This record gives sequence, structure tokens and C-alpha cells, in this order.
Amino acid sequence: DAGVTQTPRHEVAEKGQTIILKCEPVSGHNDLFWYRQTKIQGLELLSYFRSKSLMEDGGAFKDRFKAEMLNSSFSTLKIQPTEPKDSAVYLCASSLGTGGQDTQYFGPGTRLLVL
Amino acid sequence: TQTVSQSDAHVTVFEGDSVELRCNYSYGGSIYLSWYIQHHGRGLQFLLKYYSGNPVVQGVNGFKAEFSKSDSSFHLRKASVHWSDSAVYFCAVSGTQVVGQLTFGRGTRLQVYA
Repeated sequence: DAGVTQTPRHEVAEKGQTIILKCEPVSGHNDLFWYRQTKIQGLELLSYFRSKSLMEDGGAFKDRFKAEMLNSSFSTLKIQPTEPKDSAVYLCASSLGTGGQDTQYFGPGTRLLVL
Repeated sequence: TQTVSQSDAHVTVFEGDSVELRCNYSYGGSIYLSWYIQHHGRGLQFLLKYYSGNPVVQGVNGFKAEFSKSDSSFHLRKASVHWSDSAVYFCAVSGTQVVGQLTFGRGTRLQVYA
């Protein structure tokens, strides 16, 4: 089985641009998570889907961040418009979705730099 | 609200040393605890987890963790570290009230010198 894949691995954007990050979860997993990772804030949950339904939209990130799960095997995270403070590593993870002790499987992340 | 605290941002040891990475949590109900490892430039990888039963949990690569309800802790230990254990280690908690989601600590960077 393939693990979680994320594309692109690196992205450079100008301030004000729209960028779309992509994630393919582990086949058969029902839960999908988007996280932002920075040195200052650590790991922050952006979005959480269960069986393609949005369960958590990350509160403070609602304004310019939008995650979608078009089908059970593909998700996107759109940032529009980008700001320099969005520079971070964006991690996608998936899990079986059977309960609170599910192991999350992470992708390698997308490193975003906003100039 | 569930919180996770990792008191050490950095831990430095030599190869062959034992190491303990500390994790304390705050949560009122039933809880799931886990540890993840992140090597440089990569995503997080699962190490081990605890929910109930034997408070000592064995993980991969010789890691183990011990749950203590009285101390609200879930410290990670390894008896003899290797240089390849150098990474950032994250403690995570999830509760039965918010099923599926993990709350991560800030991470502890372990540096192992050969």
C-alpha cells in the first residue's frame, strides 16, 4: 500500500497569489487531516474530514484557507490570497477513522515559501 | 480542553546513552496517548500508543513509554540510543469527546552524537 502522498513538495508563491496543495490519503482510510507546522506555533490543525465530511475547519484559519475532499482518495488545501506569514510546512495525514486511538499516517509535507 | 506539554525543547546525548523524553498532559476524561517521530524534512511517523491496560507500551526500534495517571505523564524512553534516533519527537493526546483528532505537544529535538 502506498502511504500518504503530497504534491508539490516545495512551493514558492508571491504575496497575494492562490496556491493549491494536494494530498492523497492511504487507500481505505476514512479520516483526513491537514496541519500547518512552524517553528513558532508547532503543529496546528487546519482541517479534519471524516468520510469526506468536514468535521473541523480550524477556526482561525477559515478566512483564507479552504480544504476540500472531492472524493475519498483526494483532498486539496487552497490558500487564497497567500501572505508571507503562511510560510510553513503543510502536512496531510490520514487514519482509518474507527475511533480515538487510530494511528495517523503522515505525508512528507509541502514546504511553502511566500515572498 | 486537552493539552500536551513537552518540557524539553532539546535533548542532547551520546550514542549508547539512555534517554527519557518527557510528556505531560491535561485532560479530564478517557484519553489516548501516542508518540510520533519526525526526521528532518519528512512527515511524522507513529512510534507507539496507549489507551488502557499495561501502562508500559513497547514501540518500534527499542522505544517504550510509560503511562502514569497520578503524574499525568507519558514519558518516552530508550535504553541505548543510536545516532539515527536523532529527530524531533512529538507526544500527542486524543480524547473520547473529540474522536479522531490529535493534539500535539511542541516536540522535543533529540540530538545523538556518535
